Amino acid sequence: AQSVSQHNHHVILSEAASLELGCNYSYGGTVNLFWYVQYPGQHLQLLLKYFSGDPLVKGIKGFEAEFIKSKFSFNLRKPSVQWSDTAEYFCAVNARTGGFKTIFGAGTRLFVKA
Amino acid sequence: DAGVIQSPRHEVTEMGQEVTLRCKPISGHNSLFWYRQTMMRGLELLIYFNNNVPIDDSGMPEDRFSAKMPNASFSTLKIQPSEPRDSAVYFCASTLAGEYGGELFFGEGSRLTVL
Repeated sequence: AQSVSQHNHHVILSEAASLELGCNYSYGGTVNLFWYVQYPGQHLQLLLKYFSGDPLVKGIKGFEAEFIKSKFSFNLRKPSVQWSDTAEYFCAVNARTGGFKTIFGAGTRLFVKA
Repeated sequence: DAGVIQSPRHEVTEMGQEVTLRCKPISGHNSLFWYRQTMMRGLELLIYFNNNVPIDDSGMPEDRFSAKMPNASFSTLKIQPSEPRDSAVYFCASTLAGEYGGELFFGEGSRLTVL
């Protein structure tokens, strides 16, 4: 069965600090990987995705993530966070078969101090 | 283009009442997912459909929950009878399987409060 583990449940940073959120997944087959963001009171939106090719993917708002197959990891990074990055971040995995069943991690709440 | 549309946005009901949540996926999408979000359990997959057929309902908590997708443009999630522990935000999401690699497009959610 698929599972997704996010290491940090709550992160507090000051503006301009660097961010790295960990994500590990468990699945024996080929997967697609995603990071979604949920701003306060809003629905989830796609931040970035990895299907194949270059393991370093860039998303919106300066976010990037690196897929390391040997570690089953897909960590999210941003060199310099802004107050507007305050949100909850979800790592997600789907299998490329069976209708793309998508499993989410528990989420990481990021608070950026101005 | 219209996104995923959910209704109602907010529902307050009393324990024991029937609750029906509705979802209209993005036109042309062929997969639809229902998730429940709570502080304690995060984002849980309840059920998903592919071409209107339920593929995996293993996340449905118990028999009080049921979901249908009578056609490609409409799905319902029903709770009967409702209980206070069902209070959560219920999200519907859709995708075109095989095109976006399963990237999900979410609705605004239905916030359910059961008193």
